[in-house]
Amino acid sequence: DTEVTQTPKHLVMGMTNKKSLKCEQHMGHRAMYWYKQKAKKPPELMFVYSYEKLSINESVPSRFSPECPNSSLLNLHLHALQPEDSALYLCASSQEMRIPTDTQYFGPGTRLTVL
Amino acid sequence: AQSVTQPDIHITVSEGASLELRCNYSYGATPYLFWYVQSPGQGLQLLLKYFSGDTLVQGIKGFEAEFKRSQSSFNLRKPSVHWSDAAEYFCAVGGASGGSYIPTFGRGTSLIVHP
Repeated sequence: DTEVTQTPKHLVMGMTNKKSLKCEQHMGHRAMYWYKQKAKKPPELMFVYSYEKLSINESVPSRFSPECPNSSLLNLHLHALQPEDSALYLCASSQEMRIPTDTQYFGPGTRLTVL
Repeated sequence: AQSVTQPDIHITVSEGASLELRCNYSYGATPYLFWYVQSPGQGLQLLLKYFSGDTLVQGIKGFEAEFKRSQSSFNLRKPSVHWSDAAEYFCAVGGASGGSYIPTFGRGTSLIVHP
């Protein structure tokens, strides 16, 4: 089973709202990732958690706040977003990001619209 | 650092025709190569990967790719395209960078299938 699940599938929020995106995997993977993807563009890495610790933050604005409550769950808390933050947010997981043969598996994404 | 070039932004083929999507990589050592497919509004699905060994790699959905070190290429092929293959295709290369092997994605190639 190589399934990564994400909820919600769609989210519309105002610029003053607070919302959260959720990601879950049960493959025993120890690395989890958040990507942002604009239309017709490749995914852009935002955050990486390795063994439940934040390992990489690609200079993402503080209005995005990641959280990894346990090895299976990854959240992305959203607050005071801008319309330009509207995008597809993808979660991915992999066994261990420090091994050469590591392979990422992606969830279906959350389509976020900021009004 | 590694990089990936997908020279074709769009490729148009007729249903039943053969397909080749080009991918060129830049990396000083042994690359770890991936092809992902993304249907509209969906996440990325792993088609195939190459780490070592046989340079012709078989994947899901009837796709294959061939690693050619001399040409720094990892082109994706399918002998007969189906209408359901219309999607965005991303080539990615993994290599050691900052202690991790997080892949770098190409810009993607959009496949259009005519009936």
